[in-house]
Amino acid sequence: GDSVTQMEGPVTLSEEAFLTINCTYTATGYPSLFWYVQYPGEGLQLLLKATKADDKGSNKGFEATYRKETTSFHLEKGSVQVSDSAVYFCALSDEGSSNTGKLIFGQGTTLQVKP
Amino acid sequence: GAGVSQSPSNKVTEKGKDVELRCDPISGHTALYWYRQSLGQGLEFLIYFQGNSAPDKSGLPSDRFSAERTGGSVSTLTIQRTQQEDSAVYLCASSWLGQATDTQYFGPGTRLTVL
Repeated sequence: GDSVTQMEGPVTLSEEAFLTINCTYTATGYPSLFWYVQYPGEGLQLLLKATKADDKGSNKGFEATYRKETTSFHLEKGSVQVSDSAVYFCALSDEGSSNTGKLIFGQGTTLQVKP
Repeated sequence: GAGVSQSPSNKVTEKGKDVELRCDPISGHTALYWYRQSLGQGLEFLIYFQGNSAPDKSGLPSDRFSAERTGGSVSTLTIQRTQQEDSAVYLCASSWLGQATDTQYFGPGTRLTVL
């Protein structure tokens, strides 16, 4: 079945450091890929998405490129801030045989940014 | 506009009791999802509603779990004879059409604690 694997955390960085959170997936159909973020005390919210191969999603300085050849959707940011401290979830939604849009999530990666 | 709302925000119950969790999706969204977030299992899909179609119940962990969606809007997730392993945060999400490419908007969740 479909699955998402994220790099394990927690990830601790200093402010202005470069961030990469790795995400790889397996899917039988044509998945759309998402990064959701959960800030402390808040609900899940979409950070960015890409719906077809080679698309790049971007938001708030974060980027991720849909790489079908490596089945990856790694999240990157050039210079993190303390306010980026949160839990990041990679997810996919597979059209497959039933285009329901249900999300399959990775296990989440906790990012802590220190001043 | 108003986002997805859920009630109650917290629920503490005794083992063996029944609980009802409510979700009010974004107005106009035809698709509604329930997910569960727990330490051991991460984020997992439970059930999906789309318009008047039969729901996708493939993620419900046991027959103690059921859900309904009345009038294509509000949804209630019911857990009968609660067990300690049901303790988790239950998240509701909605989207426009319920397709793989759609963005899902999440509510703040209901934290369920079974004593």
